[in-house]
Formats: sequence, C-alpha cells, structure tokens
Amino acid sequence: RKEVEQDPGPFNVPEGATVAFNCTYSNSASQSFFWYRQDCRKEPKLLMSVYSSGNEDGRFTAQLNRASQYISLLIRDSKLSDSATYLCVVRGQGGSYIPTFGRGTSLIVHP
Amino acid sequence: EAQVTQNPRYLITVTGKKLTVTCSQNMNHEYMSWYRQDPGLGLRQIYYSMNVEVTDKGDVPEGYKVSRKEKRNFPLILESPSPNQTSLYFCASSSRTGSSYNSPLHFGNGTRLTVT
Repeated sequence: RKEVEQDPGPFNVPEGATVAFNCTYSNSASQSFFWYRQDCRKEPKLLMSVYSSGNEDGRFTAQLNRASQYISLLIRDSKLSDSATYLCVVRGQGGSYIPTFGRGTSLIVHP
Repeated sequence: EAQVTQNPRYLITVTGKKLTVTCSQNMNHEYMSWYRQDPGLGLRQIYYSMNVEVTDKGDVPEGYKVSRKEKRNFPLILESPSPNQTSLYFCASSSRTGSSYNSPLHFGNGTRLTVT
C-alpha cells in the first residue's frame, strides 16, 4: 500500500462549484500535513498547512481526520485559475523528517 | 526575497557528458532535497541533506551524486547522464529548527533536463 494516496482525477467542475479532495496516509504516527498546488511544469507551491482543528484560508478549507487517517481540501466557488494539480504532503511518518508526497489530484475548472 | 534558486532552467545534453545542476537557498535552511518528476510517477526523491556534510539517498539515487559543503548550496551532479534521466528536476529546502515537522518545503523553479 502506498504511504500517501490521492485520487488522480481529473476532477472536472464548472466555475462556482464546490469540490473536495481527500488524501489518505498509512502511518498513524504522521506529524504534519500540507497541501501544495502545482501548475503544469512549474514548481509546487504551498497552498496551506493542515492543522488538527482544521483551518480555512479564503475559499480553501483543510481538515485532518486522524482516526481515519486522511486529510481533505475543500475549494468553494471554484475559479478558472484554480485549475492545477493538488499535492498532499505528509511529514513525520515513522518519526522520519522526510516528507512523503502523494501523486496529486488534477482539477480542471471550466467556464 | 526568500527563495530557492536552481540553474539552469533548461538543459539539453548528450549521453555521457557530465553536468551539474545548482541549487542555492537564502533562508538558512538545514534540510535540502532533490526530486525528479516524471509523468504519472509524481515527485520522487533523489537525495537529501539534513545539514552541512550530511547527505543520504532518497528513493531513486542511481546515476546521481550530491554534495553539501555549505549550508546554502546543494548541487546535483550527473557524472554520465543517460536518456532515462530526462526529467523535470526540483530542489527544495526547509527549516529544521523549532517545530521542524511543521516547516513547509520551499521549491526552486525547476530544471528541465533532456539527455539525447
């Protein structure tokens, strides 16, 4: 089983829609969680860290469910500019500092 | 401006011709890492460094070398490049101070390497 799994998509949604992605991780001892956004052929950029109590940044909401070992990203009122690949990153699995990346979920927002 | 700088952005070379991709960060980060990204395979770690003079293999180290003689620099060396090393490469860094697990990775702009 892969350590960090994401549905590759693509998720194809109209502008204004609400869309959610999940990311599951295998090691219950994982310490920290992040969502990154990656545009085609560009570097991943931090979208938001994921805190235990959940956190929101504008139209984006991240949640952590430790019992079921997954994190989620909710995007409200999708914009065309939200089209990108969203990478889940988990750190601290097995006490390791090395981050583990999911393969990413592709989002396409259409007019 | 805090950043990770990679050079070159694009590189086309021939099999067997040694090359170096440079990576430099100005954030005084202890941790630095190299990744390659290929379609359908996601980001795969090549090598990483926890601090100066400390380097370790990642998931796909074969055919690559690194060095960490200074904190800010972490060059990736391909002694004898082969076509299967054609890929998009990213350097990244993060802090290991404080609550280091919560420190996000900062990525360079990437290097697109083609080996013919």
